Amino acid sequence: AQSVTQLDSQVPVFEEAPVELRCNYSSSVSVYLFWYVQYPNQGLQLLLKYLSGSTLVKGINGFEAEFNKSQTSFHLRKPSVHISDTAEYFCAVSEISNFGNEKLTFGTGTRLTIIP
Amino acid sequence: NAGVTQTPKFQVLKTGQSMTLQCAQDMNHEYMSWYRQDPGMGLRLIHYSVGAGITDQGEVPNGYNVSRSTTEDFPLRLLSAAPSQTSVYFCASKRQGSPYEQYFGPGTRLTVT
Repeated sequence: AQSVTQLDSQVPVFEEAPVELRCNYSSSVSVYLFWYVQYPNQGLQLLLKYLSGSTLVKGINGFEAEFNKSQTSFHLRKPSVHISDTAEYFCAVSEISNFGNEKLTFGTGTRLTIIP
Repeated sequence: NAGVTQTPKFQVLKTGQSMTLQCAQDMNHEYMSWYRQDPGMGLRLIHYSVGAGITDQGEVPNGYNVSRSTTEDFPLRLLSAAPSQTSVYFCASKRQGSPYEQYFGPGTRLTVT
């Protein structure tokens, strides 16, 4: 079975500083990987995804993530954060398996707080 | 397009009461799902459906029922609410096939007293 670990439940960062949110996954088969963002009192929206090809994936709002198969990681990075990046970030994995049975498993989330 | 809509936004129930959380999407997506979000636990899959008439259990299905009579609607029923079902519930939909992103509704905050 697949699983996702986000070790950091809360990450405070000063405005304009870089940030890295960590995500590790476990799966016995190949996977697709996602980062979702949840702004306060809203639903989730997709930030970026890794399906195949280049291991460096760029998403919206200046975020990027790097897929590392040997370390089973998919860390999210941004070189300079803004107040508007304050949100909860979820890493998720979907096993490439039977068509029509592609369940998405989420990590427990990382709350990013930007300090002015 | 309205995307994924959920009603109600907020609900308070007494233990033992029943209710239905509504979810609708206008994107003609085959796949729909229900998640619950609890502090420190992320989102956990309750039930999902790959098309009208087809549903299956997720990670935490106990205490919830679903049906899918149309492509657009995927209601979640709580037959006898319990305090452990206090949570925020999200409905999501996507096109069939793993690479496609899931679109989430705004959520329903449910409190069971």
